Amino acid sequence: EAGVAQSPRYKIIEKRQSVAFWCNPISGHATLYWYQQILGQGPKLLIQFQNNGVVDDSQLPKDRFSAERLKGVDSTLKIQPAKLEDSAVYLCASSWRDRGETQYFGPGTRLLVL
Amino acid sequence: SQQGEEDPQALSIQEGENATMNCSYKTSINNLQWYRQNSGRGLVHLILIRSNEREKHSGRLRVTLDTSKKSSSLLITASRAADTASYFCAAAGTALIFGKGTTLSVSS
Repeated sequence: EAGVAQSPRYKIIEKRQSVAFWCNPISGHATLYWYQQILGQGPKLLIQFQNNGVVDDSQLPKDRFSAERLKGVDSTLKIQPAKLEDSAVYLCASSWRDRGETQYFGPGTRLLVL
Repeated sequence: SQQGEEDPQALSIQEGENATMNCSYKTSINNLQWYRQNSGRGLVHLILIRSNEREKHSGRLRVTLDTSKKSSSLLITASRAADTASYFCAAAGTALIFGKGTTLSVSS
């Protein structure tokens, strides 16, 4: 079974630029999550999709972050414009149904904003 | 905010020793999960314990849960150098909230 795929693995941008991350979950998983992990901290949920609908985006900074999951499969997370404090690892995870279940994580995208 | 809080923040042991990590959380949960993260990698699920369970084993892992104290512990027996990683607890209530993690270093 293929795992969660993410790209790119690394990205360096300057502040005020835009950036996009892509995630392909495990086949058949209905629920997809985007997390932000700042160095030395645990992952913080940004947004959760159930199929192609948003379940929870309460911690997503909506003035600069956006995400979509077209057709209920792949997902894209965008930051525009980026700030220095957005430097972090962005993790995508998926699960069969809901957040109470085991989540399977991708390798993450390490973002550095200069 | 972080719901799960791990203790200690860092732990250094020798191969063959046991490693114990503790986790406290704040609200009611359906289950509590433990994950491992190797440097530069994503998180890997280790074990899930439901709120009506008190202890669970998986290989060299032993997890306990005390819902009255809102705490859990993860014991890794006979540690190996390959166990070197960060370990996170995640409390699953209305949301899955991760703690800050315990960094375990096992030296040979």
